[in-house]
Amino acid sequence: TQLLEQSPQFLSIQEGENLTVYCNSSSVFSSLQWYRQEPGEGPVLLVTVVTGGEVKKLKRLTFQFGDARKDSSLHITAAQPGDTGLYLCAGGSNTGNQFYFGTGTSLTVIP
Amino acid sequence: DTGVSQDPRHKITKRGQNVTFRCDPISEHNRLYWYRQTLGQGPEFLTYFQNEAQLEKSRLLSDRFSAERPKGSFSTLEIQRTEQGDSAMYLCASSLMYHEQYFGPGTRLTVT
Repeated sequence: TQLLEQSPQFLSIQEGENLTVYCNSSSVFSSLQWYRQEPGEGPVLLVTVVTGGEVKKLKRLTFQFGDARKDSSLHITAAQPGDTGLYLCAGGSNTGNQFYFGTGTSLTVIP
Repeated sequence: DTGVSQDPRHKITKRGQNVTFRCDPISEHNRLYWYRQTLGQGPEFLTYFQNEAQLEKSRLLSDRFSAERPKGSFSTLEIQRTEQGDSAMYLCASSLMYHEQYFGPGTRLTVT
């Protein structure tokens, strides 16, 4: 059972365009994390959001946690080829003993 | 470099053989996780250690899989009698804060 659904699954855009990736669940999470993964490497943590409604910014990336703590979004402004990669959201169980990853969004930014 | 390391990076084995992977976490991290990832999918949780205690195991972890963290530092994941369906990337992550995991580069297993 996939607890976290991401959309879109694939995204191919031109350099300079904006995009939004969504991470949705029917479950409430105490926190959600966003990772970026490049081929053949492990995921790299981008951000953790813990409070419902929280918005965090990391340069051109904006992350939002839903008010009910069931969903999150990642918005990239003026995408660059270096943003290409697999974007993953992940939520932890209340105990922190187990993490559930989303299905992933594969982003390609064309120069 | 003091990040998470995994060894080997690649492993090719024949069906039926046993394999063992090693993970060295960031030194002060007491939490350690193992995941499996197949192409085009997000990582799937396998097991979790807090110090040397294995506190959580996924139902994905069949009897052929075993993991240890004997002294609360490095960890090993062993797969016995490998099957072609075991072909995947095996990822290790460690953390100090429960919601911030740092991943190693992974071990890519190919079972022929």
